[in-house]
Amino acid sequence: NAGVMQNPRHLVRRRGQEARLRCSPMKGHSHVYWYRQLPEEGLKFMVYLQKENIIDESGMPKERFSAEFPKEGPSILRIQQVVRGDSAAYFCASSPNFPRDSGNTIYFGEGSWLTVV
Amino acid sequence: KNEVEQSPQNLTAQEGEFITINCSYSVGISALHWLQQHPGGGIVSLFMLSSGKKKHGRLIATINIQEKHSSLHITASHPRDSAVYICAVRLRNTDKLIFGTGTRLQVFP
Repeated sequence: NAGVMQNPRHLVRRRGQEARLRCSPMKGHSHVYWYRQLPEEGLKFMVYLQKENIIDESGMPKERFSAEFPKEGPSILRIQQVVRGDSAAYFCASSPNFPRDSGNTIYFGEGSWLTVV
Repeated sequence: KNEVEQSPQNLTAQEGEFITINCSYSVGISALHWLQQHPGGGIVSLFMLSSGKKKHGRLIATINIQEKHSSLHITASHPRDSAVYICAVRLRNTDKLIFGTGTRLQVFP
């Protein structure tokens, strides 16, 4: 039972480098969500994607952050020119379709821990 | 004021005790989730509720839509229940989740 797969689990980057976090949703799921958990804070919504389409990116910082979910392959959360404040756990979740339509629960990955040194 | 408030923030218990974690919200919702997160670990969805009550093993979750309140109960608590429990609500007419800050539970043998 392959759940939501995230990699890498842990990533260390120097300030100014790029970080790429990958998320493969559960089989049959076409909707992906990214959340960020800063140290000692709660989870915050970042972006919601359907394949080849960004549904809602209202939680994404205006600069340096981007996300995609191509037709083939995993969803990618990309952080350019990382700064220390980007150090956080980034969680991906997936659902089969629009949760509001189907009442489906969503499934979370194990998270990717980014440390910027 | 946060749209989703949990209490208590921290909770310690002896093995075998009955545990209650509360969640209050101030927005219109279509569903409420209870999630579990172990230290340094991933997030597991325990329940999704839109009304009433659900039970899974030693876990029980209830929701009162009129009072905008939900509770998560753990019966016969065990040290392996030690984790952070997070309440999250799905806003009505959106697919966005808003999270509480979590309740850190420690159960001692």
